[in-house]
Amino acid sequence: DTAVSQTPKYLVTQMGNDKSIKCEQNLGHDTMYWYKQDSKKFLKIMFSYNNKELIINETVPNRFSPKSPDKAHLNLHINSLELGDSAVYFCASSQVHSAGQETQYFGPGTRLLVL
Amino acid sequence: AQSVTQLGSHVSVSEGALVLLRCNYSSSVPPYLFWYVQYPNQGLQLLLKYTTGATLVKGINGFEAEFKKSETSFHLTKPSAHMSDAAEYFCAVSGGGADGLTFGKGTHLIIQP
Repeated sequence: DTAVSQTPKYLVTQMGNDKSIKCEQNLGHDTMYWYKQDSKKFLKIMFSYNNKELIINETVPNRFSPKSPDKAHLNLHINSLELGDSAVYFCASSQVHSAGQETQYFGPGTRLLVL
Repeated sequence: AQSVTQLGSHVSVSEGALVLLRCNYSSSVPPYLFWYVQYPNQGLQLLLKYTTGATLVKGINGFEAEFKKSETSFHLTKPSAHMSDAAEYFCAVSGGGADGLTFGKGTHLIIQP
């Protein structure tokens, strides 16, 4: 019944490795997002996808590449991991329409630790 | 462009006392405003939101917030704090559409017994 799910929940890896985080939503939403929460709990938007099309790409290193195979999935691939990539990554989804901004529903987060 | 300022990174209140968490925003378009709560090691849960219409918004767990355009504020209140309210609270703003949320830095709410 989970609305927005992410895998894995925890990810511990070495510097220089490549890793992926998967996100799935079963709410029928057309827009999905990735956020990064740093060690000071500051949350910042990284990407948003609407109907599989990239809408927002904030100043994120190009080592980060989102991929949306369909409207229900938005995966995040990270190449050449660095120590500074250690953070909690949250996926979210919402339904966008002309009347305004619907609620964004967040997944439980993926805690990434780069050693 | 939008921005959010949350005054007070930590707020401590006694159980049963009024909770007031402050949020001021800046937005170049009519804002959509949100309060989210994050419990330790968990994701974000929506408390309440303002899009249009009534400026006093009621949310879950007895929280409410009032949108004041003249003051560019969206402060969160609860008449009587409960121990279970201890968490991190985030105010966020969006311009609508597929915009991501712009978050404040969060306020850690501590409830004293």
